[in-house]
Amino acid sequence: DGGITQSPKYLFRKEGQNVTLSCEQNLNHDAMYWYRQDPGQGLRLIYYSQIVNDFQKGDIAEGYSVSREKKESFPLTVTSAQKNPTAFYLCASSGGDWTDTQYFGPGTRLTVL
Amino acid sequence: GQSLEQPSEVTAVEGAIVQINCTYQTSGFYGLSWYQQHDGGAPTFLSYNALDGLEETGRFSSFLSRSDSYGYLLLQELQMKDSASYFCAVRGSNAGNMLTFGGGTRLMVKP
Repeated sequence: DGGITQSPKYLFRKEGQNVTLSCEQNLNHDAMYWYRQDPGQGLRLIYYSQIVNDFQKGDIAEGYSVSREKKESFPLTVTSAQKNPTAFYLCASSGGDWTDTQYFGPGTRLTVL
Repeated sequence: GQSLEQPSEVTAVEGAIVQINCTYQTSGFYGLSWYQQHDGGAPTFLSYNALDGLEETGRFSSFLSRSDSYGYLLLQELQMKDSASYFCAVRGSNAGNMLTFGGGTRLMVKP
């Protein structure tokens, strides 16, 4: 089955700690994205990558970092510099079809204690 | 920059028809998409409009008017399972032609 997986589903972090959220896709998509969603809000773009070994900042990149060493993987690190990291994090990928449809993973809910 | 406006909440009864509007401002325009998200779940793609007019997919239809910077999602024969949040998203000439999402419309379907 092709799709996107994210792990873990729930993550708890103490203040001052860095945490890394995993995102893997086997859809052979070139582009991958990370979004943040706060309760009752829309999706805000953190980082995106259109090709391996390249990525760009989105609208709210401060306090986050990413890597794209493999086509299938696009991990997101939430650093201690992110002042309000508690949120639902969604990873997505797209294959460049004419609708540019994005396919989302199940998400990781991060809570800072 | 880009911005999208949609109502925060809509309520309708089972079997009814509901329309969720979306107005947008964007520098350049490639298309308007709609996504559905159930509570705690992942957004899933519903429809895409690049040209003016109506696109129909089963019980769901989506409309676009580029001259008015306006679109809507029409849901017919509402079912309880349609209770979810619906997001419009626009792809414009921002960096990398990325999608910008609206704040979402929470649809509650009542018996």
